Parts: sequence; C-alpha cells; structure tokens
Amino acid sequence: AQKITQTQPGMFVQEKEAVTLDCTYDTSDQSYGLFWYKQPSSGEMIFLIYQGSYDEQNATEGRYSLNFQKARKSANLVISASQLGDSAMYFCAMREHTGTASKLTFGTGTRLQVTL
Amino acid sequence: DTGVSQDPRHKITKRGQNVTFRCDPISEHNRLYWYRQTLGQGPEFLTYFQNEAQLEKSRLLSDRFSAERPKGSFSTLEIQRTEQGDSAMYLCASSLTRDSEAFFGQGTRLTVV
Repeated sequence: AQKITQTQPGMFVQEKEAVTLDCTYDTSDQSYGLFWYKQPSSGEMIFLIYQGSYDEQNATEGRYSLNFQKARKSANLVISASQLGDSAMYFCAMREHTGTASKLTFGTGTRLQVTL
Repeated sequence: DTGVSQDPRHKITKRGQNVTFRCDPISEHNRLYWYRQTLGQGPEFLTYFQNEAQLEKSRLLSDRFSAERPKGSFSTLEIQRTEQGDSAMYLCASSLTRDSEAFFGQGTRLTVV
C-alpha cells in the first residue's frame, strides 16, 4: 500500500517570502505520480503541480516548484514570493494504478498561513 | 463553466434518511472518482468509474453507499440510512486519461444530525 506523510500540520510565511512544504512517500511501484493540491476554505481541491517518477527534471508551474528527491522519497512543494491568497490547506498525493483503475492517496495536509 | 460541478454544495439531513449527490465531470473526461474527506484529514478514495463502468470500490464504501454513472456522463452517489459518521465532504473528480491530472469539484458537505 502506498503512503504519503506530511509532517507539518501548520506553517507560517511572510508575504513575498518563499516557503517549502514537506512531503515524503512510500511505495514499491516503479512508476508513480506525485501531485500537490491546494484547498482553500471553500473546499475545492485545486491542482497545482505534477511530478512523474521518471521525470528527470523537477516540475515547475509559475510560482510553484516541486523538489523531487527520488532516492529520499521526498516531493516537497516550494512556493516562491508568497501571496496572501496562498493561505490554504495543501495536500500532497500519490497516484496508484490498480489494474485499469487509478486513484490518489493523500497526506493529511499542511495549513499554510501567509502573513503581512 | 467547464469545471467539475457538484450539487448540492451543502446538505443537512436527519439520521436514517437517504441522500443523493450529483457530479457532472468535465465533458470530455471519461474517468470519474468519488472521494470522502473528514475534518482534519486528506480525501480518501471511495470509487472509480471509467465511462459507465464502476471499476473499483473502496472498503470504505459500505452497503449503504451506491454510486452510478449512467451513460458515462454525470454520476450520483447515494447514501441510505445515513449515520452521524457519514458527515463529511464528498468530493468528485474527473480526468481525461488514467495518467492525467484529476480535477476536483467544490464538493458536497454533508451534515447528519
């Protein structure tokens, strides 16, 4: 079974600073995908960034980058130049293939608070 | 709006009543997922459809839960004889392929009193 661990229940960052949200994973699969989602108080899960296990370069999407260290089984999210609107819950997830099916396993999340 | 749509957004029901939620995926997406999220936790997988076929169900999906996706378009999730432990956010997601990112709806928040 796959497992995702997010050890930071909450994080604070000042506006315009960078912040790293930690995520470690455990899997015996050779091929897997790692995702980060943002969940504001409205409840919607917003897709941020994706890293495939065979991707050699770290994924980047605007202010979001994923620090992928395969040997250490970590997939940390880096948010640069934090904005007040970044305050939300952030979830790391891993995709698992089971036959023809596909599902995501999520961590428990990190609540990020951006301050002035 | 071309995103995943869920209805209703909020539902309060008395214990023992039946409830039904609806999910309309992104139109070209043939893969649809239901997840449940309780307070302080990440979403947990419930079930998966490819077109109209329900290909996987979690052990979390007890006999009181049933999901359908007639004609491979919208999906419904029904909970019969609701219990207080069913109170949660129910999230629907869709994806174009098995390997592409899943896009989520805004969820249906169920409160069983």
